[in-house]
Amino acid sequence: QLVLTQSPSASASLGASVKLTCTLSSGHSSYAIAWHQQQPEKGPRYLMKVNSDGSHSKGDGIPDRFSGSSSGAERYLTISNLQSEDEADFYCQTWGTDIVVFGGGTKLTVL
Amino acid sequence: EVQLVESGGGLVQPGGSLRLSCAVSGFTFSSYEMNWVRQAPGKGLEWVSYISASGTATSYADSVKGRFTHSRDNAKNSLYLQMNSLRAEDTAVYYCARGLAAAGTSAYWGQGTLVTVSS
Repeated sequence: QLVLTQSPSASASLGASVKLTCTLSSGHSSYAIAWHQQQPEKGPRYLMKVNSDGSHSKGDGIPDRFSGSSSGAERYLTISNLQSEDEADFYCQTWGTDIVVFGGGTKLTVL
Repeated sequence: EVQLVESGGGLVQPGGSLRLSCAVSGFTFSSYEMNWVRQAPGKGLEWVSYISASGTATSYADSVKGRFTHSRDNAKNSLYLQMNSLRAEDTAVYYCARGLAAAGTSAYWGQGTLVTVSS
């Protein structure tokens, strides 16, 4: 079964870096995933897709502070030079045959 | 500029029906698969349904299978979600989204439309 696992929360200080993790279920380590950001009271925004080899393709207007990487079944979103507006929920998402799956989301707090 | 604009949400009684629409512009609609995703109050994102670019293939989350029907009109650049036998647990903001199930393409989201199922 295709499942994505995310930590419920993360925090980091203004100006620092943070690395969020999304873990693919067993047998699905080759899958690409997408990262989406949802700021408070707003709809989701697509950030990037991250492939199993770590290559990634960002959405329109996504700052260079956002980057993606991979290791095995884990996919990462790294945000550097954290800004107050980065405080948001971050969801990873993948897809299979006839199905789209979301992780439970990580709530990022900028201290 | 890519735009997706949902409409059709509102208050409906349990057991009732509602039809959501998503009007798109800024890209060749007929070339992209589309999805509906919902978010219940205070909860995470939940995938609802997928439709292929041609409209010939659809799939649904188990929670809505048999009650919801996903369709599209490529001539009108529009996506639809017919929701029947609505339940309180269907209360959510419903988003249409492009590119969630395709490699090598950016995803885009609409702003969402609120569906409230309550007596």
